[in-house]
Amino acid sequence: KAGVTQTPRYLIKTRGQQVTLSCSPISGHRSVSWYQQTPGQGLQFLFEYFSETQRNKGNFPGRFSGRQFSNSRSEMNVSTLELGDSALYLCASSRGDTNTGELFFGEGSRLTVL
Amino acid sequence: GQQVMQIPQYQHVQEGEDFTTYCNSSTTLSNIQWYKQRPGGHPVFLIQLVKSGEVKKQKRLTFQFGEAKKNSSLHITATQTTDVGTYFCARWTNAGKSTFGDGTTLTVKP
Repeated sequence: KAGVTQTPRYLIKTRGQQVTLSCSPISGHRSVSWYQQTPGQGLQFLFEYFSETQRNKGNFPGRFSGRQFSNSRSEMNVSTLELGDSALYLCASSRGDTNTGELFFGEGSRLTVL
Repeated sequence: GQQVMQIPQYQHVQEGEDFTTYCNSSTTLSNIQWYKQRPGGHPVFLIQLVKSGEVKKQKRLTFQFGEAKKNSSLHITATQTTDVGTYFCARWTNAGKSTFGDGTTLTVKP
């Protein structure tokens, strides 16, 4: 079956702009998590959505937001971009309703803020 | 906090040598997961351990969960160049959140 799909794969923005990233999970998966990965900070948890509800949130400012649609696809938005937001944004899906927490990651969206 | 600490941060080995990375927590873990991320790639799930003292093997990889469920290790026997990448441990909660360690980056010299 198809894996996790993230779009766009690469994008360049300037400071102050906003960006929307998309994630289509594996069919049947209802949980979508978002992570920010930078060389210095590793994998940082942003938030997790399950059945259209934000179930968990990491320690990121309010400029980072997300949502999940009824088909489990998810989007995350970053407003008022800062240089430090340059990172690889990874989406991961899982079934979300069992004790098996295996995450399936997408290829990521690499954001560069100039 | 509920962090997991990994050591070492980097490990460089000669092909054929063994490699071990360690994951430690100050609190008891309900489970521990291991992921591998190849250079330029995305993390790929390797295994999840849930039982105290659990040991699981995948070919040349051996995963252990400590008796106190506060630490875990991943050991690779006779490394190959295909083992190159960053290995992450992560704790997962049934509330849907995974907290990742900072990873151990393995390089292998042929």
